[in-house]
Amino acid sequence: DAGVIQSPRHEVTEMGQEVTLRCKPISGHNSLFWYRQTMMRGLELLIYFNNNVPIDDSGMPEDRFSAKMPNASFSTLKIQPSEPRDSAVYFCASSSGGSNNEQFFGPGTRLTVL
Amino acid sequence: SQQGEEDPQALSIQEGENATMNCSYKTSINNLQWYRQNSGRGLVHLILIRSNEREKHSGRLRVTLDTSKKSSSLLITASRAADTASYFCAGAGGGNKLTFGTGTQLKVEL
Repeated sequence: DAGVIQSPRHEVTEMGQEVTLRCKPISGHNSLFWYRQTMMRGLELLIYFNNNVPIDDSGMPEDRFSAKMPNASFSTLKIQPSEPRDSAVYFCASSSGGSNNEQFFGPGTRLTVL
Repeated sequence: SQQGEEDPQALSIQEGENATMNCSYKTSINNLQWYRQNSGRGLVHLILIRSNEREKHSGRLRVTLDTSKKSSSLLITASRAADTASYFCAGAGGGNKLTFGTGTQLKVEL
């Protein structure tokens, strides 16, 4: 199993540009999570999906952030327009749910907004 | 916002020593999990302890859970330089959502 796949691994963009982060969860997992990690705020849950349906998006900081999961094998996190304070490492994780809801994390996307 | 708080924030020990990290959480949980993060990498699951368990072992790891105090501890015995990483606790409430703590940075020196 390839694990959770994220792309790109690094993204450098200028303020105001649109940024799209991509995630492919582990096959068979029915829950997908987007996190943001910074030194100041630590690891924050942005949104999570169960069976492709958004369940909790209370962590999405602003309307500039949006996430979709069109099918069980793909999800995107979009920031439009991006701002320097969005600079962070964004992680995608997936889990199979159930009583052992261990999450498997991708390698992350390091986003720098200039 | 972070539900859990790890203590200490940073820990430096010599190889061979034991490392103990503590975690406190605020709301009821179904289970509590510990994860490790190496620099520049994603988090990796280490161990899960259910709310009706008090202690669990996995290799050199020992986890305790005290639901009355809403606290957990992770003990790494006979530490190695390769154990150098950040360690996070995460509480699982309803559903599949985990709420992560602030993490402990462990450095194991040769």
